[in-house]
Amino acid sequence: EAGVAQSPRYKIIEKRQSVAFWCNPISGHATLYWYQQILGQGPKLLIQFQNNGVVDDSQLPKDRFSAERLKGVDSTLKIQPAKLEDSAVYLCASSLSGGKRVNTEAFFGQGTRLTVV
Amino acid sequence: AQSVTQPDIHITVSEGASLELRCNYSYGATPYLFWYVQSPGQGLQLLLKYFSGDTLVQGIKGFEAEFKRSQSSFNLRKPSVHWSDAAEYFCAVGRNSGYALNFGKGTSLLVTP
Repeated sequence: EAGVAQSPRYKIIEKRQSVAFWCNPISGHATLYWYQQILGQGPKLLIQFQNNGVVDDSQLPKDRFSAERLKGVDSTLKIQPAKLEDSAVYLCASSLSGGKRVNTEAFFGQGTRLTVV
Repeated sequence: AQSVTQPDIHITVSEGASLELRCNYSYGATPYLFWYVQSPGQGLQLLLKYFSGDTLVQGIKGFEAEFKRSQSSFNLRKPSVHWSDAAEYFCAVGRNSGYALNFGKGTSLLVTP
């Protein structure tokens, strides 16, 4: 079974530029998550999708970050304009279901490492 | 809000010795708790999870964790550490829905010969 695919693996941009990350979840997984992991910290949830609807985006900085999952499959996370503090690894994860009591697991991709200079 | 604290930033253990990584949670109701491992260049891998029931949870790679409500803890243990266990370990608590998680800051494990 193929895992969660993310691209690109690495990206370097200048501050105030825009950048986009792509995620293709495991086939059949209804729930998709984007996390931000700053160096030395644990991942922080940015947004959770259930199919193509947003379940939780309370920690997404909406003035500069946006995400979409138009067809309920792959997803794009965008930052515009980028700031120095956005340097981090952006992790995508997917799970079969978002139901709390369902005994499923969230699988993580390898992440995209963003450096803003 | 649900949160977890990992008091130890770094831990060094000799190969073959036992291991305990600490995790304390803050949540009013019964939390959903997880331990993940992250090796350099690798993605996050789930070691084990606690939803309800038996408070001693068995995971992969010989790890176990015990949920203690009275101490608000979910410590990870392994009886004998292998050099390949060197990695970053994250405790996490479920947010309101599914596998959306709040992670701790992590504990870096170094294994010495």
